[in-house]
Amino acid sequence: GQNIDQPTEMTATEGAIVQINCTYQTSGFNGLFWYQQHAGEAPTFLSYNVLDGLEEKGRFSSFLSRSKGYSYLLLKELQMKDSASYLCAVMDSNYQLIWGAGTKLIIKP
Amino acid sequence: IAGITQAPTSQILAAGRRMTLRCTQDMRHNAMYWYRQDLGLGLRLIHYSNTAGTTGKGEVPDGYSVSRANTDDFPLTLASAVPSQTSVYFCASSPRDGGEQFFGPGTRLTVL
Repeated sequence: GQNIDQPTEMTATEGAIVQINCTYQTSGFNGLFWYQQHAGEAPTFLSYNVLDGLEEKGRFSSFLSRSKGYSYLLLKELQMKDSASYLCAVMDSNYQLIWGAGTKLIIKP
Repeated sequence: IAGITQAPTSQILAAGRRMTLRCTQDMRHNAMYWYRQDLGLGLRLIHYSNTAGTTGKGEVPDGYSVSRANTDDFPLTLASAVPSQTSVYFCASSPRDGGEQFFGPGTRLTVL
């Protein structure tokens, strides 16, 4: 079966760095997406990785290792507004997104 | 309008009633999707459409139907609602199959 695993909840301190991990097993791979979802709102796109390595975009970076079925989202200089759920999704061989349940990130002052 | 809109924002529905959730986008995206989001579960694909005139079944299609008469609109119909269809429903679109998806604000549906 297809499976995306990520931690249910994480807590971090304002100004710090946090890494959210995602492991996956899917039928085929056509890229991995990270989305941010604030409570009561729609998911919004953060990053896309299809090749191994690190993609940096401002305070956010995303890493992919296809051989290990592993990705992480790195958030630097955490701000209170970063409190949200972070969703990992893998595009399978049919170009459909398979979604993880999301990681709720709590930022404390 | 700009982006994707969904209607209604929320709805309480009696079991057995028919309900259509509306989704409209003005980005001329070819691909559109309907997901449901339940606590503790990832987004699950209900139906999708890669282009106007075509639709396909996702992971959880039973009890739902869709149509795609034109590029902009992608309504989702519950023929006879059941309590297990209580969920938050998101419509999304993408400029191409396999691309980044843009989400509407969601419809919170409660079936009693």
